Amino acid sequence: GAVVSQHPSRVICKSGTSVKIECRSLDFQATTMFWYRQFPKQSLMLMATSNEGSKATYEQGVEKDKFLINHASLTLSTLTVTSAHPEDSSFYICSARYLTGTDGYTFGSGTRLTVV
Amino acid sequence: TQLLEQSPQFLSIQEGENLTVYCNSSSVFSSLQWYRQEPGEGPVLLVTVVTGGEVKKLKRLTFQFGDARKDSSLHITAAQPGDTGLYLCAGAETGGFKTIFGAGTRLFVKA
Repeated sequence: GAVVSQHPSRVICKSGTSVKIECRSLDFQATTMFWYRQFPKQSLMLMATSNEGSKATYEQGVEKDKFLINHASLTLSTLTVTSAHPEDSSFYICSARYLTGTDGYTFGSGTRLTVV
Repeated sequence: TQLLEQSPQFLSIQEGENLTVYCNSSSVFSSLQWYRQEPGEGPVLLVTVVTGGEVKKLKRLTFQFGDARKDSSLHITAAQPGDTGLYLCAGAETGGFKTIFGAGTRLFVKA
């Protein structure tokens, strides 16, 4: 089946540093990937839509200069949290639609980011 | 913006009991998915419903899509402790690529 691999699963970084999270589609091509953020005991909030070969589309309220998204190939999208602060600590999850139409999305296993 | 209201937000029941989770919207979705998420992991797709009135069964789980494609329900029969988790409904935005998530139902099944 369609698998999305997300790395790292956990990362701890110091305030002011940058962290890159990778999301790879292992057995299918994903022209579009989605990045979500999830706070404890809450649902997923869409941050941005990553489009292969073009600029990402950010949701309202998400700073594009802080959350840099790159989708350079059909199997890889990256999210870089720049100048991280403790309030950026969260669970970040990527997903990709693996079939056209209405067949749902496959999610990565998530990245727990802790900024100290 | 299309919104999905999910209820209840939290449910704690005894093993063997039945339960239903609801997902409602005033908007029409082209399809609706149900996911289950365990702590520290990404959501896992359970089912996708597409046709109004559609009913799908997955072992003890029964999913229904409303006739007007605005709402859905998830019914679990004889719940087991292994059913414990966060259940999320998600609607595919009509005419677009976005998926809108409900707030989730946190289910705890006690042995």
